[in-house]
Amino acid sequence: NAGVMQNPRHLVRRRGQEARLRCSPMKGHSHVYWYRQLPEEGLKFMVYLQKENIIDESGMPKERFSAEFPKEGPSILRIQQVVRGDSAAYFCASSLSPSYNEQFFGPGTRLTVL
Amino acid sequence: GQQVMQIPQYQHVQEGEDFTTYCNSSTTLSNIQWYKQRPGGHPVFLIQLVKSGEVKKQKRLTFQFGEAKKNSSLHITATQTTDVGTYFCADPTGTASKLTFGTGTRLQVTL
Repeated sequence: NAGVMQNPRHLVRRRGQEARLRCSPMKGHSHVYWYRQLPEEGLKFMVYLQKENIIDESGMPKERFSAEFPKEGPSILRIQQVVRGDSAAYFCASSLSPSYNEQFFGPGTRLTVL
Repeated sequence: GQQVMQIPQYQHVQEGEDFTTYCNSSTTLSNIQWYKQRPGGHPVFLIQLVKSGEVKKQKRLTFQFGEAKKNSSLHITATQTTDVGTYFCADPTGTASKLTFGTGTRLQVTL
């Protein structure tokens, strides 16, 4: 039973480059959430997706950030033209149902912007 | 917007001592979840509380949900070094159940 998988685990980008973070939910889970954790801070919700649909993106910055969860393949969080303030741990979580079930978190991608 | 605060921010105890973290919401909660994050790790679900006044135990951990459903607590009896980490309460909000995390309490345990 593979858990939630994220890759890469560590990503280094220079300012202005693009970062692509991938998340494969647990088998059978079709609900994916992305959270961001800034250094020494708590976790903040970014976006909630189901297959091929963005359900809630109220936590996503208005510019440079986008997310998708295609019919086939992993969910992708894309950050264009990264800045130093984007340096953080990005966690993906999946759940079987949005109805108050626990969320299973992946190991995270630690993004460092130089 | 909703705020979920936890106190204390940080606690350092000696192994064997008890530990409690408190979670307070500015709004009434439908239910509350608790997660543990080890240093360098990812959040791991511990428990969900649903009913007003509910108390649940997991070995040395005791979770409580306030009568007014605006606060919750996690108590660890006789801490061990394996308890080290940050404990977050979280509110699964609305039909999407996106989690609004508390500010977290970092627990350090020394021998």
